[in-house]
Amino acid sequence: DAKTTQPNSMESNEEEPVHLPCNHSTISGTDYIHWYRQLPSQGPEYVIHGLTSNVNNRMASLAIAEDRKSSTLILHRATLRDAAVYYCIRQLGNTPLVFGKGTRLSVIA
Amino acid sequence: GAGVSQSPSNKVTEKGKDVELRCDPISGHTALYWYRQSLGQGLEFLIYFQGNSAPDKSGLPSDRFSAERTGGSVSTLTIQRTQQEDSAVYLCASSLAGRAYQETQYFGPGTRLLVL
Repeated sequence: DAKTTQPNSMESNEEEPVHLPCNHSTISGTDYIHWYRQLPSQGPEYVIHGLTSNVNNRMASLAIAEDRKSSTLILHRATLRDAAVYYCIRQLGNTPLVFGKGTRLSVIA
Repeated sequence: GAGVSQSPSNKVTEKGKDVELRCDPISGHTALYWYRQSLGQGLEFLIYFQGNSAPDKSGLPSDRFSAERTGGSVSTLTIQRTQQEDSAVYLCASSLAGRAYQETQYFGPGTRLLVL
């Protein structure tokens, strides 16, 4: 089962950090965690991915729990352009990515 | 550089007609994916092409759906005898090379299909 669990929606104030949680309690040792986001009326775009260690890039940070059963996507300063649906995806080996319903992030000015 | 492009942007058709949706991947990308997204839902994987390998068709919902990829580049998704439940946004993505599904996928803007 490739499912992950995310809150349906979250809200953040502009220029504040946002922590988007994701549970993947049945993850196995070789499964990657991917995050994509989908802005309104656009296709999804890659945000970040990781396996065991925390990861940083220009868009976000990914904090992976030590037991790997959960992870958190961190947007350090939310902007209005970050309002989107954020998908946390657990990838099982050599299989297609399974996109759930994600978390709809609203950013308030 | 040019991203993934899809055409048409929007397509309205009548129930029972066939439709063809086109995807132009990023130049040099050998992997190509099709997904569909129904209103308010997540993405549903349909089919995956990688180089000259046999495509992974495990996500196609029925035999009315087929896809081909000519010359390792452009792909066409065909839906025969369309039904109203086929109405959705059809998204195409491509990725660079052969680590299958573990690579970053770059998505096109999608084709919005409405079956009346």
